[in-house]
Amino acid sequence: AQKVTQAQTEISVVEKEDVTLDCVYETRDTTYYLFWYKQPPSGELVFLIRRNSFDEQNEISGRYSWNFQKSTSSFNFTITASQVVDSAVYFCALSDFYSSASKIIFGSGTRLSIRP
Amino acid sequence: DAGVIQSPRHEVTEMGQEVTLRCKPISGHNSLFWYRQTMMRGLELLIYFNNNVPIDDSGMPEDRFSAKMPNASFSTLKIQPSEPRDSAVYFCASSSIRAGANVLTFGAGSRLTVL
Repeated sequence: AQKVTQAQTEISVVEKEDVTLDCVYETRDTTYYLFWYKQPPSGELVFLIRRNSFDEQNEISGRYSWNFQKSTSSFNFTITASQVVDSAVYFCALSDFYSSASKIIFGSGTRLSIRP
Repeated sequence: DAGVIQSPRHEVTEMGQEVTLRCKPISGHNSLFWYRQTMMRGLELLIYFNNNVPIDDSGMPEDRFSAKMPNASFSTLKIQPSEPRDSAVYFCASSSIRAGANVLTFGAGSRLTVL
């Protein structure tokens, strides 16, 4: 069975600090997709990134970076120089790779608060 | 494109009443998902469709819940009869291979309160 664990329920940091959100997953599939979504206070879920399991290169997008380590089944998300606008709930998710429509399983989310 | 459109945005009803939530996916998206979000259980996948056909409804809590997708541009999630424990935010999301396999675009959600 597939499972996504986000052990950090809440994180609070001061603006400009770096912060890392952890994600650990379980799957029997050898190929799969991993995702991060952001849910700001407005409530809508916004897609941030998708990685496939055979591409372990880290990805950087502006202040955001993602570290995928298949050996430890982790897909962590780092925000560098955090800003108040980064305050949101962040979800990690997992799906299989080959289905045209897959069951996408979400973790329980990490609530990130950035204090000015 | 207007994105995924859900209605109503807010619904307050009394226990025992029928509730119907509606979703219009993004045009051209062929997969549609219904999720429920609560503080206690997080984001739960209720059911998803591919090309209007239900693929997996194992997340539907019980027989009081039903979902339909009569065509590519419309889906409903119905709760009958509703109970207070059904209070949650219900999200609809759609995706397509062309837009990126399994990349979900979510609607704004329907917040349901059952008194």
